Amino acid sequence: ETGVTQSPTHLIKTRGQQVTLRCSSQSGHNTVSWYQQALGQGPQFIFQYYREEENGRGNFPPRFSGLQFPNYSSELNVNALELDDSALYLCASSSILPVGEETQYFGPGTRLLVL
Amino acid sequence: GDSVTQMEGPVTLSEEAFLTINCTYTATGYPSLFWYVQYPGEGLQLLLKATKADDKGSNKGFEATYRKETTSFHLEKGSVQVSDSAVYFCALRVVTSGTYKYIFGTGTRLKVLA
Repeated sequence: ETGVTQSPTHLIKTRGQQVTLRCSSQSGHNTVSWYQQALGQGPQFIFQYYREEENGRGNFPPRFSGLQFPNYSSELNVNALELDDSALYLCASSSILPVGEETQYFGPGTRLLVL
Repeated sequence: GDSVTQMEGPVTLSEEAFLTINCTYTATGYPSLFWYVQYPGEGLQLLLKATKADDKGSNKGFEATYRKETTSFHLEKGSVQVSDSAVYFCALRVVTSGTYKYIFGTGTRLKVLA
């Protein structure tokens, strides 16, 4: 069974640029969630995708957007990067059924540095 | 709003000591509760979970009981090892109108000395 994988592992961008992060979900999982983890903080929920639709969103502006593909992999896109976007971005996959039994499994993360 | 509060770290213990990491929550409805562990340079690993009041989650010697009356989910282990050194996160999941929302605490760093 393949776990959750993310790419790239590290990334450096400059303010104002756009970035795309990728996530492959664990085999058998149909749901992907994205989190932002600033240094020394807990993960902050960005959004969740199920069946290629957004299924929940945290307090992040619209410049954070996502996609889920038919194979359940996902992308996180961030436009107009700001210095505060520097963080570890975590992807978690899960199976949304049975209802209430969802458990998330996390990838190793992508560390983004915005200069 | 929904929130999770964890005790501040770092927590430093000697090997074989008893561990308690406090976690309390505020949430509407009936959240599910989780403990995750993060080792240096890695993503989060699920440690244990509880989905309803009075449930006890357990794994690798760690335990936590979902206490609705005190809105708490404290993590305990009877005898810690050096290999338990990591950051521990308490988290809750709420479901509103079919959509999911996850909230994590700020994490508690545990250092176990040989």
